[in-house]
Amino acid sequence: DADVTQTPRNRITKTGKRIMLECSQTKGHDRMYWYRQDPGLGLRLIYYSFDVKDINKGEISDGYSVSRQAQAKFSLSLESAIPNQTALYFCATSGTPTLAGTDTQYFGPGTRLTVL
Amino acid sequence: KNEVEQSPQNLTAQEGEFITINCSYSVGISALHWLQQHPGGGIVSLFMLSSGKKKHGRLIATINIQEKHSSLHITASHPRDSAVYICAVGYPYSGGGADGLTFGKGTHLIIQP
Repeated sequence: DADVTQTPRNRITKTGKRIMLECSQTKGHDRMYWYRQDPGLGLRLIYYSFDVKDINKGEISDGYSVSRQAQAKFSLSLESAIPNQTALYFCATSGTPTLAGTDTQYFGPGTRLTVL
Repeated sequence: KNEVEQSPQNLTAQEGEFITINCSYSVGISALHWLQQHPGGGIVSLFMLSSGKKKHGRLIATINIQEKHSSLHITASHPRDSAVYICAVGYPYSGGGADGLTFGKGTHLIIQP
């Protein structure tokens, strides 16, 4: 079984709808991340969480919210989806970094979201 | 904000060729990551390095901290190496400060038989 799973894998929705993307991990990591990937722009950080009680905004958090229900689960919500949120969304996890810096990140398979 | 630039954006080569992908960044970092994204979309971490050189099979990654530059090399390239290769940089651990990675836009590599 995959260490990091995302559901759904594909979703088509309409403008104004509320959407939740879910991420689960079995690696026992404290740190979890949500990224979006757009053609020509690369991956960008939406939100990250160091543990259940610690959630932080990333580079592009507007229009998104998150919930860390447990160490293993981190959900991303679009309260009112809009077409420019059409993108590929990735969840990732990492262990607590050493003083050397960020640890290796493990990515989920991605969720392809289309907002019409 | 760290700017991460990769070159080339696109690269097509013949099987067996030696491949080099470059990554430059603007601000001092603690670690640099090389990732591979296959056509199906999944992303796999290849290397994380903060100095020197690492090797895994036919892949070699080097970093020059003073010049803020890293290279990913593929020896004896094969069609299965066709993928997008992404450079990303991370920051020194600050016990709760900014985290996550800043990514380059990726290099789309095609290896033809």
